[in-house]
Amino acid sequence: QKEVEQDPGPLSVPEGAIVSLNCTYSNSAFQYFMWYRQYSRKGPELLMYTYSSGNKEDGRFTAQVDKSSKYISLFIRDSQPSDSATYLCAMSPYNTDKLIFGTGTRLQVFP
Amino acid sequence: SAVISQKPSRDICQRGTSLTIQCQVDSQVTMMFWYRQQPGQSLTLIATANQGSEATYESGFVIDKFPISRPNLTFSTLTVSNMSPEDSSIYLCSERTGPDTQYFGPGTRLTVL
Repeated sequence: QKEVEQDPGPLSVPEGAIVSLNCTYSNSAFQYFMWYRQYSRKGPELLMYTYSSGNKEDGRFTAQVDKSSKYISLFIRDSQPSDSATYLCAMSPYNTDKLIFGTGTRLQVFP
Repeated sequence: SAVISQKPSRDICQRGTSLTIQCQVDSQVTMMFWYRQQPGQSLTLIATANQGSEATYESGFVIDKFPISRPNLTFSTLTVSNMSPEDSSIYLCSERTGPDTQYFGPGTRLTVL
């Protein structure tokens, strides 16, 4: 079993839809949780980061962490065609620098 | 956010040769990281490069195959040695400015024939 599981998609939605992207994990020591956006042929871009449980909002993006369920989510409101990319979740324990990544979910937002 | 550049952006190499990838960051950082991203797979950490000490390699990666240099706090190189087609991948350098913020370069797309 992988430490981090993420549905690879693709997820195809119409413009304006609310998108929900999710990851599950098995290591209860994970404390830091990040979401990256990666456009084709580009490096991953840090989108959101959270520590421990709770919600964090930044514009159209909301990150949620539920440590009791070992489940994290990224919500995108009013999705735009420019949001079409691969979204990667990543996480690490408290005292290490090693990030564990999901495989990424490919999102397509059509006009 | 950090600005990270990599050279080359892409290359096509012959089997058995070596390629050195350069990574430059815009501010001094203690720790830099090298990742590999293979098609359809997660980003995988190759090694952690601290300035002034030997790089620390993850399981499955060895120094003879992926030697790393870290001559100062803003620069690092990764060499992919004695390449085979299985080394075809995207190689990414990264810096971590805090426990919850880690930034990546644009990547080097390597194809080995």
